Amino acid sequence: GNSVTQMEGPVTLSEEAFLTINCTYTATGYPSLFWYVQYPGEGLQLLLKATKADDKGSNKGFEATYRKETTSFHLEKGSVQVSDSAVYFCALPPGAGSYQLTFGKGTKLSVIP
Amino acid sequence: NAGVTQTPKFRVLKTGQSMTLLCAQDMNHEYMYWYRQDPGMGLRLIHYSVGEGTTAKGEVPDGYNVSRLKKQNFLLGLESAAPSQTSVYFCASSYPLQPQHFGDGTRLSIL
Repeated sequence: GNSVTQMEGPVTLSEEAFLTINCTYTATGYPSLFWYVQYPGEGLQLLLKATKADDKGSNKGFEATYRKETTSFHLEKGSVQVSDSAVYFCALPPGAGSYQLTFGKGTKLSVIP
Repeated sequence: NAGVTQTPKFRVLKTGQSMTLLCAQDMNHEYMYWYRQDPGMGLRLIHYSVGEGTTAKGEVPDGYNVSRLKKQNFLLGLESAAPSQTSVYFCASSYPLQPQHFGDGTRLSIL
């Protein structure tokens, strides 16, 4: 079945530092890939997505490129802000015959001034 | 922009009590879901629905029941609450094969 492996957290960075959160996946075929973000006390929000190989999803300064060769979808941001402090989840859509998103365990990011 | 609205936001129950969590969405989504989020466990699917009047079990359905009498509403019931059901519960909705939209969660403590 589908699975997502996400780098362990927590991650603490200084403001304006470069961010990378690694995500690799196992799935049949070439599914869409998602990054969700969960700010403190809130639900998950879709941050960005990519629907096919070599696609780059981007939003709010975050980017992730769908790499089918390495089955990866790493999240990057060039200069993080305090307001980016949140938990980030990599996710796969439901596979055939399933209705369940497959989430990574989440990576907590704390950005300090 | 209401999106997905969950009520209540917080609740404390005693063991053995019952309650219902309400989820409402205004995006005309066919699919709705209930998840629980626990530290170190990520999000786990409890039940889901692919249309009005239909429900199905997810990964961790035991101890919960659901109903979807109207397309926009999805109810999660706990018949006899147990401390192991202390968690944060999230409702989500989506169109088929599209990303899910989440509510802000219900924080439930069972003493």
